[in-house]
Amino acid sequence: GQQLNQSPQSMFIQEGEDVSMNCTSSSIFNTWLWYKQDPGEGPVLLIALYKAGELTSNGRLTAQFGITRKDSFLNISASIPSDVGIYFCAGPTDKLIFGTGTRLQVFP
Amino acid sequence: DTEVTQTPKHLVMGMTNKKSLKCEQHMGHRAMYWYKQKAKKPPELMFVYSYEKLSINESVPSRFSPECPNSSLLNLHLHALQPEDSALYLCASSQVGGGSTDTQYFGPGTRLTVL
Repeated sequence: GQQLNQSPQSMFIQEGEDVSMNCTSSSIFNTWLWYKQDPGEGPVLLIALYKAGELTSNGRLTAQFGITRKDSFLNISASIPSDVGIYFCAGPTDKLIFGTGTRLQVFP
Repeated sequence: DTEVTQTPKHLVMGMTNKKSLKCEQHMGHRAMYWYKQKAKKPPELMFVYSYEKLSINESVPSRFSPECPNSSLLNLHLHALQPEDSALYLCASSQVGGGSTDTQYFGPGTRLTVL
């Protein structure tokens, strides 16, 4: 079945640093979604991308829909402690396909 | 408003108990979902309701029984669960369900522990 490969698996960074993560697929998607999940909570939608090549920002977060439609990138600038959590990419088909997640730790 | 609410937040139950999880959305969405999530893993789809009809059942054991009383409400009835069913149960909703541009919004989840 369809699968989204997300990297890196985990990141340990210092407060103030920028973060980059990406998601790749063997199949084309028409939409890319980025969610953040805190421990014990549900995923919260950060950014939704609906057009190939689209670059969208939400505060310190910027995400891009790859031109090939097979990848997407999420950047976080000037990280802060509350950025800690697991970031999932996802692509909707008849179901929502999730990436494997990137666990982010931010040290003060 | 992009809020999906779930109750209870936490639930502890024995293997012989019957309990229900509840989910509500007021975004006018016509598709609602139940997911199960184990620690450090992505959510796994269990059921999809589209226009109040069950459209997908991912071969979930019959001890989990979904119900969609109306387009805003989704329940998950639990009976005779096993300890391995302990997990975070997530509800989600989307406008139509199943489309390649369909965007799902998740609730905060119910942390279920089966003793």
